[in-house]
Amino acid sequence: AQKITQTQPGMFVQEKEAVTLDCTYDTSDPSYGLFWYKQPSSGEMIFLIYQGSYDQQNATEGRYSLNFQKARKSANLVISASQLGDSAMYFCAMREGQTGANSKLTFGKGITLSVRP
Amino acid sequence: KAGVTQTPRYLIKTRGQQVTLSCSPISGHRSVSWYQQTPGQGLQFLFEYFSETQRNKGNFPGRFSGRQFSNSRSEMNVSTLELGDSALYLCASSLGTGRRTEAFFGQGTRLTVV
Repeated sequence: AQKITQTQPGMFVQEKEAVTLDCTYDTSDPSYGLFWYKQPSSGEMIFLIYQGSYDQQNATEGRYSLNFQKARKSANLVISASQLGDSAMYFCAMREGQTGANSKLTFGKGITLSVRP
Repeated sequence: KAGVTQTPRYLIKTRGQQVTLSCSPISGHRSVSWYQQTPGQGLQFLFEYFSETQRNKGNFPGRFSGRQFSNSRSEMNVSTLELGDSALYLCASSLGTGRRTEAFFGQGTRLTVV
């Protein structure tokens, strides 16, 4: 079974509107971390937001927030007030196990987001 | 603070050759991980080095190898190149310890095998 699932086709959003990018994950480890990265056409992976499995509150970082539903094993990224520069590929990733002993990230296939002016 | 630096940015090699890619992590980061990104397979974990020791390894053939130096800089080597090795190779550095260890990526090395 896939550990990270991103099934949305290419997403389109109007500038200044909000958009939600879906991510579901699968793990039996109670300790894990979830990450979202943005990859523009230049290729660099840019860290956006992190959610730990034991975190009580949903993570927020500026215009990015994470809708973490642990029982449903979903970690959706919400981008508010979309900007043209948000057009990129977005990847959801997971790190399993005791933090500090393992830095390996497992990535989903990614979602292409296009922001329309 | 300087980010993760990968060199070279682009490479073209011939089948059968070998190649070495370099990654300089963020100062103070002791963990360096390597990933291969292709359109078909997406992002796949190659290996991770922490304090000069390989801590994790992905499911890649032995042609793929790496090492880490005492200054945390890392190199990745691919021998006997195949056409399927054409990919974007990304290096990520992290502290490697602590509860929240986000990985910071370099811009990648785009390898083309002809």
